[in-house]
Amino acid sequence: DAMVIQNPRYQVTQFGKPVTLSCSQTLNHNVMYWYQQKSSQAPKLLFHYYDKDFNNEADTPDNFQSRRPNTSFCFLDIRSPGLGDAAMYLCATSKAGYFSYEQYFGPGTRLTVT
Amino acid sequence: ELKVEQNPLFLSMQEGKNYTIYCNYSTTSDRLYWYRQDPGKSLESLFVLLSNGAVKQEGRLMASLDTKARLSTLHITAAVHDLSATYFCAVDRGTNAGKSTFGDGTTLTVKP
Repeated sequence: DAMVIQNPRYQVTQFGKPVTLSCSQTLNHNVMYWYQQKSSQAPKLLFHYYDKDFNNEADTPDNFQSRRPNTSFCFLDIRSPGLGDAAMYLCATSKAGYFSYEQYFGPGTRLTVT
Repeated sequence: ELKVEQNPLFLSMQEGKNYTIYCNYSTTSDRLYWYRQDPGKSLESLFVLLSNGAVKQEGRLMASLDTKARLSTLHITAAVHDLSATYFCAVDRGTNAGKSTFGDGTTLTVKP
């Protein structure tokens, strides 16, 4: 089945130690998103790729970076994680088109910062 | 800036009852989505509403869109425990850039 895969599902890192989260998709969608979701809150868009074009949200901290080496893969790099970065990180995809940007979400990576 | 408001934010209801969740948004948009999130899980797409007057139904859930009123509703009929989850509406920002603004979510608890 076509899907969005995130690895790892759970990640524990130390304060200030860089961490990379990965996302892959078999849907062949051209838009990929990274969200941060904290407990009992709505997902917060960090950035997204529309094809190869990178779009950063204005309030995304510089500590968060992303790479999309090809259509199928996208990475989230947190350069120096702080305690406030502990959250669920969700990757999503959509197929760009006039009619719909329905998003398909991966299972998420739960990040713990110690 | 597009703002999306859901109400109520928390809803506790008994099995068998009906209720409606509301999603209001502040600027013109023709595309609205409903997502479901179970505790500790990711989001799952429920409905895609693409035009004024659109109505979609799946089981005990029915969603509708009134673009003139900038309002979508998610109606629950004869609730069952399995519907307990958080429901988010999301509205396209209208730039064709593929970005949506999410509401804060409605946490639904269905009690026996």
